[in-house]
Amino acid sequence: DQQVKQNSPSLSVQEGRISILNCDYTNSMFDYFLWYKKYPAEGPTFLISISSIKDKNEDGRFTVFLNKSAKHLSLHIVPSQPGDSAVYFCAASPHRGGSYIPTFGRGTSLIVHP
Amino acid sequence: DAGVTQSPTHLIKTRGQQVTLRCSPKSGHDTVSWYQQALGQGPQFIFQYYEEEERQRGNFPDRFSGHQFPNYSSELNVNALLLGDSALYLCASSLGPGGEQYFGPGTRLTVT
Repeated sequence: DQQVKQNSPSLSVQEGRISILNCDYTNSMFDYFLWYKKYPAEGPTFLISISSIKDKNEDGRFTVFLNKSAKHLSLHIVPSQPGDSAVYFCAASPHRGGSYIPTFGRGTSLIVHP
Repeated sequence: DAGVTQSPTHLIKTRGQQVTLRCSPKSGHDTVSWYQQALGQGPQFIFQYYEEEERQRGNFPDRFSGHQFPNYSSELNVNALLLGDSALYLCASSLGPGGEQYFGPGTRLTVT
């Protein structure tokens, strides 16, 4: 039973446009959410996170939105650049006061065309 | 500042054999977590080591075991390899069990 779901295996976007990656979760204990980016032959790298006390967090071109009632979060990339082409993983974790063990989705492969 | 390093990069084993994977954490980090990423899946948590002890464990059989050394480096051992153990094994380090995790490039294990 997948607790973190990324239902779109792939997404293709034109350079300069907005990329929107979606993620749904089922576990109500999750209250910290992260996005990781992964290039081939590299490990995942942290991109942006959001706590359940917020509904939006921005970092440059990247914004994460959280809708707790719908158990849904999304990552917006504006404007998209060819270097953003990678696999994006959504991850969620219970309160991180003690330990922090993220549960990952299956990933969405983003391709940004020049 | 050295990041997380893993060795070997790739290896091929036969069913029933045993394998040991190694991880050196990022400088200053004291906690190591191991993940298995099967093809087309996200990373799945195996276990976490802190203060040389296994602190948390995911849903993996006892064939998967680990160790953390006084210098914080860690090993993942898998016994009686199955074809289904073929995957990318990722190591992540953090400052404390609640810290942000930094991933290594992974070890690609193929079991034939």
